[in-house]
Amino acid sequence: QQPVQSPQAVILREGEDAVINCSSSKALYSVHWYRQKHGEAPVFLMILLKGGEQKGHDKISASFNEKKQQSSLYLTASQLSYSGTYFCGTERYQGAQKLVFGQGTRLTINP
Amino acid sequence: GAVVSQHPSWVICKSGTSVKIECRSLDFQATTMFWYRQFPKQSLMLMATSNEGSKATYEQGVEKDKFLINHASLTLSTLTVTSAHPEDSSFYICSARDGRESTDTQYFGPGTRLTVL
Repeated sequence: QQPVQSPQAVILREGEDAVINCSSSKALYSVHWYRQKHGEAPVFLMILLKGGEQKGHDKISASFNEKKQQSSLYLTASQLSYSGTYFCGTERYQGAQKLVFGQGTRLTINP
Repeated sequence: GAVVSQHPSWVICKSGTSVKIECRSLDFQATTMFWYRQFPKQSLMLMATSNEGSKATYEQGVEKDKFLINHASLTLSTLTVTSAHPEDSSFYICSARDGRESTDTQYFGPGTRLTVL
């Protein structure tokens, strides 16, 4: 039931792009993306609802392919501050209340 | 924005003692709060869902009598780790659902690092 994230880890140079995927074997209602820095709590990035949503903020965007039950997070022209572990949390149906998180993708941005 | 606080930020205790962690939603009312545990370099594992005024719903494998959850008001939930042992050492994080938002976004507190000696 836990969604699968890929890749597990990625190392980039500042300015490069990254894509993080989150796949589920079950139908989903929504996908929530968070970024967590070491020793800190996860910070909410964005949520995508079923129906093929795409949204973005600044240079971070995401999409949700309902047919594939897969969401992708796109980081464009990465900045040093983007470093951290990215988690997707999935909600099976509206009102499910709880999120099931993937194992995380560790992103390292080097100067 | 929605802000969630946790207290304390860290705690070190002796084996056998009980520890209480508070989770507060500062600028919104949270009918539902969640408690997670996270071990180093691992994912967030949901322990329980806490609804105001009712008993918490625990995930499979989480001992109800060991991890006591009380959601006394719309802005406060507490987690008490009873008779703590070294294996309970972990990072405990709460989140609160902002019911004002149609998407029911969860906002996380800063976490509490528990070390049991």
